Amino acid sequence: NAGVTQTPKFRVLKTGQSMTLLCAQDMNHEYMYWYRQDPGMGLRLIHYSVGEGTTAKGEVPDGYNVSRLKKQNFLLGLESAAPSQTSVYFCASSYSPVYEQYFGPGTRLTVT
Amino acid sequence: LAKTTQPISMDSYEGQEVNITCSHNNIATNDYITWYQQFPSQGPRFIIQGYKTKVTNEVASLFIPADRKSSTLSLPRVSLSDTAVYYCLVGGDTGFQKLVFGTGTRLLVSP
Repeated sequence: NAGVTQTPKFRVLKTGQSMTLLCAQDMNHEYMYWYRQDPGMGLRLIHYSVGEGTTAKGEVPDGYNVSRLKKQNFLLGLESAAPSQTSVYFCASSYSPVYEQYFGPGTRLTVT
Repeated sequence: LAKTTQPISMDSYEGQEVNITCSHNNIATNDYITWYQQFPSQGPRFIIQGYKTKVTNEVASLFIPADRKSSTLSLPRVSLSDTAVYYCLVGGDTGFQKLVFGTGTRLLVSP
């Protein structure tokens, strides 16, 4: 089992460019999450999904969109990147919101 | 959703027991207490979860008093590799989307 994987690992964007981050899990989890972590800070929830075809906003959703067309994949999109979106992005999945979340290795994004 | 308060940082030496306490005064009846560990440049990793009393696994123990307004993560005989940030989360099936990984407790283990 690969667990939770994220693509890409690193990316540099110019302001205004767009990109999509891919998260994949092979544990058949219903719940998936996207977080961002800024230097010296904890993780903040961007969007989450409670099952295939569903998405919902978290704490800091502005500037991001998500899609969950397949149960195993959760995509995070930035339509027009801004320097304030420079961060490390973590994807996670879980069987239920009560149980442990499994995190991916993260994507380090820099927007110049 | 229950707000949690943890010390910002702690220092210890190899071989010592480390106890990190988390306060969660407004914990709800259905809330669980979960601890995660995060190393630099990695995603958080689940350590332990409990509802009440004491829970022990191969890496840690979690002590929860009867009123559940606080909890203590106990790491026995820490090593240098336990240097990490530790997060306490409180939540359940409802309101989970407001779960917050605060700044956590930065534990530094020295030789």
